Amino acid sequence: AQSVTQLDSQVPVFEEAPVELRCNYSSSVSVYLFWYVQYPNQGLQLLLKYLSGSTLVKGINGFEAEFNKSQTSFHLRKPSVHISDTAEYFCAVTLGASNTGKLIFGQGTTLQVKP
Amino acid sequence: ETGVTQSPTHLIKTRGQQVTLRCSSQSGHNTVSWYQQALGQGPQFIFQYYREEENGRGNFPPRFSGLQFPNYSSELNVNALELDDSALYLCASSLAPEDTQYFGPGTRLTVL
Repeated sequence: AQSVTQLDSQVPVFEEAPVELRCNYSSSVSVYLFWYVQYPNQGLQLLLKYLSGSTLVKGINGFEAEFNKSQTSFHLRKPSVHISDTAEYFCAVTLGASNTGKLIFGQGTTLQVKP
Repeated sequence: ETGVTQSPTHLIKTRGQQVTLRCSSQSGHNTVSWYQQALGQGPQFIFQYYREEENGRGNFPPRFSGLQFPNYSSELNVNALELDDSALYLCASSLAPEDTQYFGPGTRLTVL
């Protein structure tokens, strides 16, 4: 079975500081990994995804994530956050052995950027 | 090009009633997935439709059912509503099952 654990429910950070949102997964097969962002009263927007290849993945809005197979992690990072990055962030994996598009989401991490 | 749209935006129902939620997929997308997001939780996969056929289902009871139409829009139907069905229901469309999913804004369902 596959599952996703987001290790922090809330991450407060000051504007222009770096941030890391942590995500661990458990899976007995190959995984496809995603980070989504959800702004208040909106749907989810894809930040980045790892399907194969380079373990360092760059996404939109200056975010990047690194796939670490040995630690079963896919942590999201940004070197300098803005107030506008305040939102809910979800890590997700696909259900099944291939990228079927059937996503299993973590519980979410609320990023609070303070001025 | 319009994105994924969902209707209605909000809905209030009482226990035991039935509800239909609608989703219009992005132009050219033949796959629609539905998710339930309870307050403070991550979305949970309900089911996926690909070219009008169900293409996988999550751990939801049969009273959750769906349809996909020839224009690839979709409906989610929930019978015999329970209080725990109160949630944000999200649909996402994609060019194919393995492609990037684009989410709509969701329908907020409240069951009293």
